[in-house]
Amino acid sequence: QVQLQESGPGLVKPSETLSLTCTVSGGSISSYYWSWIRQAPGKGLEWIGYIYYSGSTNYNPSLKSRVTISVDTYNNQFSLKMTSVTAADTAVYYCVRESSGKYSRWSYWYFDLWGRGTLITVSS
Amino acid sequence: SSELTQDPAVSVALGQTVRITCQGDSLRSYYASWYQQKPGQAPVLVIYGRDNRPSGIPDRFSGSTSGNTASLTITGALAEDEAEYYCNSRDSSGDHSVFGAGTKVTVL
Repeated sequence: QVQLQESGPGLVKPSETLSLTCTVSGGSISSYYWSWIRQAPGKGLEWIGYIYYSGSTNYNPSLKSRVTISVDTYNNQFSLKMTSVTAADTAVYYCVRESSGKYSRWSYWYFDLWGRGTLITVSS
Repeated sequence: SSELTQDPAVSVALGQTVRITCQGDSLRSYYASWYQQKPGQAPVLVIYGRDNRPSGIPDRFSGSTSGNTASLTITGALAEDEAEYYCNSRDSSGDHSVFGAGTKVTVL
């Protein structure tokens, strides 16, 4: 079955750039939205942004100035870059597949496949 | 509005029914999805769309929407249902995803 696996350094220094990659195995990256979601220790879930397999993106307005999500369809991967990190960016980062549907006039999206998450600590 | 509002905590007696609500203007246009998260684990999708359950999710979980409020109902709660539950939807623009702050469900 399709699985997602995050990879990247567990420790990033303040003011530096956080880089994470998600590898999609067991299926194609095509025809879905792919998101990054994070969760600070003891806090709730925060959507960072998504990329469609074609390359179109959308970001959380509160993070947009620091975030870039890219896709590599050849290697079935998508990536997150977040610049100028601070301690507030310390969190578990999840890569997630987003599916969509429509019922009558209603549209809906849902995160149906999650990676296990990777803890990123921002500290000097 | 881009916010989804959830009650912080709710408790339910073992075997009883509990309803968790999520309020937001965007829910008049988009269905919510619901996620169960247990400590140290990734969230798991339990309800999406009008009232759809992914494979493997028990039928004691159900969803509904009325006006600006989406609800997740657990009918006959089990001890294993004790968890944090998050609602999610798009904001009113449809471009951005947003989560509620989560509801901690305690099974007594």
